[in-house]
Amino acid sequence: AQSVTQLGSHVSVSEGALVLLRCNYSSSVPPYLFWYVQYPNQGLQLLLKYTTGATLVKGINGFEAEFKKSETSFHLTKPSAHMSDAAEYFCAAFLIQGAQKLVFGQGTRLTINP
Amino acid sequence: GAGVSQSPSNKVTEKGKDVELRCDPISGHTALYWYRQSLGQGLEFLIYFQGNSAPDKSGLPSDRFSAERTGGSVSTLTIQRTQQEDSAVYLCASSLGQGRTEAFFGQGTRLTVV
Repeated sequence: AQSVTQLGSHVSVSEGALVLLRCNYSSSVPPYLFWYVQYPNQGLQLLLKYTTGATLVKGINGFEAEFKKSETSFHLTKPSAHMSDAAEYFCAAFLIQGAQKLVFGQGTRLTINP
Repeated sequence: GAGVSQSPSNKVTEKGKDVELRCDPISGHTALYWYRQSLGQGLEFLIYFQGNSAPDKSGLPSDRFSAERTGGSVSTLTIQRTQQEDSAVYLCASSLGQGRTEAFFGQGTRLTVV
């Protein structure tokens, strides 16, 4: 089945450390890929997206992600974590083959330690 | 409207009662999605509308759940004979369609079945 998998339901890093949140998709045709963030008691907002073109995409708040077709991955990174980055992060894929729809991974809760 | 609007924001209902959740998408957005977010869980896909039609209803958990969209705009998610396991936040999102553009989310309806 076509799906999105986020490795690690919880990730904890120190302030100033590298943030790496993993996302893999399962689809024979590369989907359109998105990362969303959900701050406590707030709705989801888009961090960044990949549709076509450059495989390294930059988003808001210093985040970026790289689409790697060979690895079917779209991992999210940020060089230096801030306390304000603490949130739930969701990877999503719009599947362009078969039943077209936007599906989400299970989410990764990012905690930043002082 | 300026954003995706969902109503009510909170709903407490007794087990066995029917509830209707409403979503007003962004004007001009042809695609509309419903998701369910349970405590500590990711976003569970429920149903997707393109215009007034629903190409994919596979995510609806049971026949107690139904959704409609009229005039290519407002959508209603109906849950009949609610059960305690239906308690969750129900999120609606809309997009321009075609999958390339981001989905904008409403603040959700928090449903509690007592």
